[in-house]
Amino acid sequence: EVQLVESGGGLVQPGRSMKLSCAASGFTFSNYGMAWVRQAPTKGLEWVATISYDGSSTYYRDSVKGRFTISRDNAKSTLYLQMNSLRSEDTATYYCTRGGRAFAYWGQGTLVTVSS
Amino acid sequence: DVVLTQTPPTLSATIGQSVSISCRSSQSLLHSNGNTYLHWLLQRPGQSPQLLIYLVSRLESGVPNRFSGSGSGTDFTLKISGVEAEDLGVYYCVQGTHAPYTFGAGTKLELK
Repeated sequence: EVQLVESGGGLVQPGRSMKLSCAASGFTFSNYGMAWVRQAPTKGLEWVATISYDGSSTYYRDSVKGRFTISRDNAKSTLYLQMNSLRSEDTATYYCTRGGRAFAYWGQGTLVTVSS
Repeated sequence: DVVLTQTPPTLSATIGQSVSISCRSSQSLLHSNGNTYLHWLLQRPGQSPQLLIYLVSRLESGVPNRFSGSGSGTDFTLKISGVEAEDLGVYYCVQGTHAPYTFGAGTKLELK
């Protein structure tokens, strides 16, 4: 069974950093691109970043470019999202999803709240 | 950025009724590799989204066959043939053809 378990969310002050993790199991992690998608409270879904199966290619939405970094450790079957210079508008539940452009499986999400 | 316009924003249905949701794209979603990366997701209340239909019309494993997808280019439709109570929630179309990948605003399916 495919499982994606996000962790690392919480309350953080504006301008600070936070790193999210997504532990994958139930499939060969190194065969799939992966993505982060977020959802602000009571809002719709917003794609954040995608990484290729081997980590050689990454893509970001403009509003996070230069602040967020998506990465992966295929030996640990884990996806990461390093978030720097956080803003209030980054407040959301962050989901990892399998498939860089397929959005096939989703984790339960981890809530990031950016507030002073 | 590609804009996906979903209609209607809210859909009221009775159990057993057939309904359709439209998703129109501001540009063609046909990728140069021949695939059309238009998918449909359902987010039930308090849950994570789940994939229903991928690549326009392919039914994800485990999804009931009362769900079907159709369309091409810029115009796509999700049909539910006989709504059941477990189908309630918000439906999203999403495109993975052109970065940044984008989602429709959602269609909330409610019981009438």
